[in-house]
Amino acid sequence: EAGVAQSPRYKIIEKRQSVAFWCNPISGHATLYWYQQILGQGPKLLIQFQNNGVVDDSQLPKDRFSAERLKGVDSTLKIQPAKLEDSAVYLCASSLAPGGDSEKLFFGSGTQLSVL
Amino acid sequence: KNQVEQSPQSLIILEGKNCTLQCNYTVSPFSNLRWYKQDTGRGPVSLTIMTFSENTKSNGRYTATLDADTKQSSLHITASQLSDSASYICVVSVTNTGNQFYFGTGTSLTVIP
Repeated sequence: EAGVAQSPRYKIIEKRQSVAFWCNPISGHATLYWYQQILGQGPKLLIQFQNNGVVDDSQLPKDRFSAERLKGVDSTLKIQPAKLEDSAVYLCASSLAPGGDSEKLFFGSGTQLSVL
Repeated sequence: KNQVEQSPQSLIILEGKNCTLQCNYTVSPFSNLRWYKQDTGRGPVSLTIMTFSENTKSNGRYTATLDADTKQSSLHITASQLSDSASYICVVSVTNTGNQFYFGTGTSLTVIP
């Protein structure tokens, strides 16, 4: 089966510019996550969608970050304006549904963002 | 506070040798524990998923153990290969509504010939 698709793979921008990332989850997966992974750290959850509704966005810096999943499939994550500390890998993940002891979480390859 | 701690932070071993990575957690209420392998520049890939009642689970040369009493898990890699060089991340999930995952910071493993 096709995996989680993300684009672009790399992005270099200057601080105060805007950037957007795109994610296409595995077909049929209702739950979609965006994670931020700073070098040397584990992924940190930014936002979780269940279909097109937000389940958890408590760690999303809402003054500059926004995300949407309008039709419950693809999702975009936007940063406006970017700061130097936003340099990280942005991972998208999806799963069939929340909960379940054997529920598998599938990750995309990520978008590596460098803010100069 | 829900936390997942991994050790060592980094490890270098010779090809063909075995190694063990550790994961300690304080996450509650516990649902399951997962080990992921993350190659450089790639997203994490699941190796094993263990529930409360499972003590050990194998996936090829990878064997994960879980002690739910002491809240510790280990990932043992047997006969290491160069392709095992990666970051190994321990992830613990809770039995709340929705799905909450707590990530460790990972162990960076380098296998040298």
